[in-house]
Amino acid sequence: GAVVSQHPSWVICKSGTSVKIECRSLDFQATTMFWYRQFPKQSLMLMATSNEGSKATYEQGVEKDKFLINHASLTLSTLTVTSAHPEDSSFYICSVSFLGAQGTDTQYFGPGTRLTVL
Amino acid sequence: AQSVTQLGSHVSVSEGALVLLRCNYSSSVPPYLFWYVQYPNQGLQLLLKYTTGATLVKGINGFEAEFKKSETSFHLTKPSAHMSDAAEYFCAVSSGGYQKVTFGTGTKLQVIP
Repeated sequence: GAVVSQHPSWVICKSGTSVKIECRSLDFQATTMFWYRQFPKQSLMLMATSNEGSKATYEQGVEKDKFLINHASLTLSTLTVTSAHPEDSSFYICSVSFLGAQGTDTQYFGPGTRLTVL
Repeated sequence: AQSVTQLGSHVSVSEGALVLLRCNYSSSVPPYLFWYVQYPNQGLQLLLKYTTGATLVKGINGFEAEFKKSETSFHLTKPSAHMSDAAEYFCAVSSGGYQKVTFGTGTKLQVIP
């Protein structure tokens, strides 16, 4: 079954509005979640690392004031795209890092959220 | 620093033929290597991973990959392609320990009936 869920799966909004995307870890507590963005026909690009109870770590070139990340609990991280513009239209995917029995970690990905800004 | 190079953005094979998707990596520390599959408008599904130990890794759906340190490669193979294998495949590398994953640019696999 699914390990990570995202809501909504798709959203259409008007330019200038804000959109919140939720990422939930269903099977285990996640101290670390990651947010990626994927433009059409391109690979995934890491936007930020979300740490429970502390500020997110953003990758170079990602505006932290535009992409607000809140990791308020061990099972929920949210990404808010503020004042969205058409160039923010993309596929946003979160992932959860899980430390397995052998001490190795694997990232499990959510199903993604398709954002279209008109 | 780490990076991944996937050779061939598009690969076409006939149904029943061998699938070979190439991946080379660069990492300053012992790498964790992954292959993910993505179907249209969906998230990524883990096919297989290499962390330590056996260099030949078997994954789901009949896929396997071999870690070759001397060649810095982690090519993905499947002996016989099925129509349902048509998707985009991403090779990825990380240094483990909750560190970020760096993805390759992806290879779109087409399976011809």
